[in-house]
Amino acid sequence: DAKTTQPNSMESNEEEPVHLPCNHSTISGTDYIHWYRQLPSQGPEYVIHGLTSNVNNRMASLAIAEDRKSSTLILHRATLRDAAVYYCILKEGGSNYKLTFGKGTLLTVNP
Amino acid sequence: EPEVTQTPSHQVTQMGQEVILRCVPISNHLYFYWYRQILGQKVEFLVSFYNNEISEKSEIFDDQFSVERPDGSNFTLKIRSTKLEDSAMYFCASSGTAYNSPLHFGNGTRLTVT
Repeated sequence: DAKTTQPNSMESNEEEPVHLPCNHSTISGTDYIHWYRQLPSQGPEYVIHGLTSNVNNRMASLAIAEDRKSSTLILHRATLRDAAVYYCILKEGGSNYKLTFGKGTLLTVNP
Repeated sequence: EPEVTQTPSHQVTQMGQEVILRCVPISNHLYFYWYRQILGQKVEFLVSFYNNEISEKSEIFDDQFSVERPDGSNFTLKIRSTKLEDSAMYFCASSGTAYNSPLHFGNGTRLTVT
């Protein structure tokens, strides 16, 4: 899978927006950008994904750069429950359906 | 919302014993996966399964591991002769058929090999 680069950790305050960056400069045209998170002692949880256009769902928004070499996961109002490791993963087109997890970004939310 | 369920939540076994970890994927999903996470480390891909056969496996998934879909609902991971280094969280996941389909994960089985 194509490589992504994320900060090791970030901190936020409760009820403030959080912008989690991800660089993926070697992305190819058919790669989807997926975001997952892993809360303590739980399995990874799907958050959002996109290809070219910005995406919104009930959990978050995904802003994708015009050249697709970077993206930003936006949590509009962080809660304590959003404290987790956030993974940005490129999901390749074709027959490869698996995800390859990196180290992700550990998000700490302060009350 | 449908979810992936895994049993047991915690399994303790002695080195050399066989273990079977069980998963019930989301009912209309056709791709199934096993991942593991050793304490403090990354989530690692083990194997993917589609149409009753392995579609891809990692170097970790050696001859000691096998997967099976014994009926229409369960998906199992068997470790034939467990080693101490098999101690980890094992996560099952499933997804739809579109290649951009997200994976849905269970909450895992913690395997402790003593």
